[in-house]
Amino acid sequence: DAKTTQPTSMDCAEGRAANLPCNHSTISGNEYVYWYRQIHSQGPQYIIHGLKNNETNEMASLIITEDRKSSTLILPHATLRDTAVYYCIVRVGNTGNQFYFGTGTSLTVIP
Amino acid sequence: NAGVMQNPRHLVRRRGQEARLRCSPMKGHSHVYWYRQLPEEGLKFMVYLQKENIIDESGMPKERFSAEFPKEGPSILRIQQVVRGDSAAYFCASSPRGAEQFFGPGTRLTVL
Repeated sequence: DAKTTQPTSMDCAEGRAANLPCNHSTISGNEYVYWYRQIHSQGPQYIIHGLKNNETNEMASLIITEDRKSSTLILPHATLRDTAVYYCIVRVGNTGNQFYFGTGTSLTVIP
Repeated sequence: NAGVMQNPRHLVRRRGQEARLRCSPMKGHSHVYWYRQLPEEGLKFMVYLQKENIIDESGMPKERFSAEFPKEGPSILRIQQVVRGDSAAYFCASSPRGAEQFFGPGTRLTVL
């Protein structure tokens, strides 16, 4: 599975959009991009995943560049409860394989 | 539909004792994964199971650790003769078909 690179930490003002970048320059054609977050010491929470098209759900939007070498997770209106560590993971889709969690981005939403 | 359940949530053991961690997947999910998280680190994969079968145990320590997912009942992660280095949070995840995984709240194991 491809390696990902994320900034260690980010701040975002409450109510503003939080844009979390992820580089995955060695991604292969059949690998999906997944995003999870971990709030404090809870179990990771699934956010969204995609292959090549942009995706949107009730939690977030995922923008994947045309060459698929990077992506951005967008939380449109960040709240204090969005403070968490966000993990970007790439994995061959629907294979059941493990997820490789890196160190993620620690997002702090500031009042 | 209840989420992934893990018990106990906190477990304290003395060195040399056995630890048994249980995971009940979401209804209809036949894929179970176990991960371990040391303090200040990301989650590390341990083992992937489907009903009655171990699919991938590449992340499991070769000794003292075992996992099962029987036809009936929860998945069990068993750690024999625990040592202080086993202190960690252990997370279980389940999946209906091996795509997105849904995680439980974790079991915090403390070895005295």
